[in-house]
Amino acid sequence: NAGVMQNPRHLVRRRGQEARLRCSPMKGHSHVYWYRQLPEEGLKFMVYLQKENIIDESGMPKERFSAEFPKEGPSILRIQQVVRGDSAAYFCASASSGNAAEAFFGQGTRLTVV
Amino acid sequence: EDQVTQSPEALRLQEGESSSLNCSYTVSGLRGLFWYRQDPGKGPEFLFTLYSAGEEKEKERLKATLTKKESFLHITAPKPEDSATYLCAAYFSGAGSYQLTFGKGTKLSVIP
Repeated sequence: NAGVMQNPRHLVRRRGQEARLRCSPMKGHSHVYWYRQLPEEGLKFMVYLQKENIIDESGMPKERFSAEFPKEGPSILRIQQVVRGDSAAYFCASASSGNAAEAFFGQGTRLTVV
Repeated sequence: EDQVTQSPEALRLQEGESSSLNCSYTVSGLRGLFWYRQDPGKGPEFLFTLYSAGEEKEKERLKATLTKKESFLHITAPKPEDSATYLCAAYFSGAGSYQLTFGKGTKLSVIP
């Protein structure tokens, strides 16, 4: 899974600031999934994107969270006006198709809201 | 609601002491059951995929099995380097093939 690159690895934000998390998929992969792992919880699906399209955002909070995967560049998960409860590890996975069985995970971004 | 439950939450084994981790699921149409290993501060690392009841897969000291209600990850003669959190995940026909539902994991510690 070293091929899926996430940055930054660690991010500290004060309450009310914006957090931008980046995910560069493996070469040849055009499908990206974002998951959130809260302390002592399992990974929870947030959003699934293909290039320039959001396919399923059913796991994403309705407010403050957004995701994009432009034609060029990495996928971005954006959290506006962060709160302490947003502190978590955010993982990106990529695949060459929409089949979850083929997805590889990145190392994650650990967001801490102070 | 489709759910995945793992037990135990934590397991301490002596080196060489074999054991099994459990993953039970309540689903309406399982399409695949996955096992991952996660080391502290790292992302999940894929281990196995199982698709049908009765299927088994092996890799070194690990063997994964699947029934209609649960999956087991058997660890034979574990070594300290097997210490990690083991995650089970499933995807279901209702959610499509792109959404994995994860359990909370079993934290395995192997003591030398």
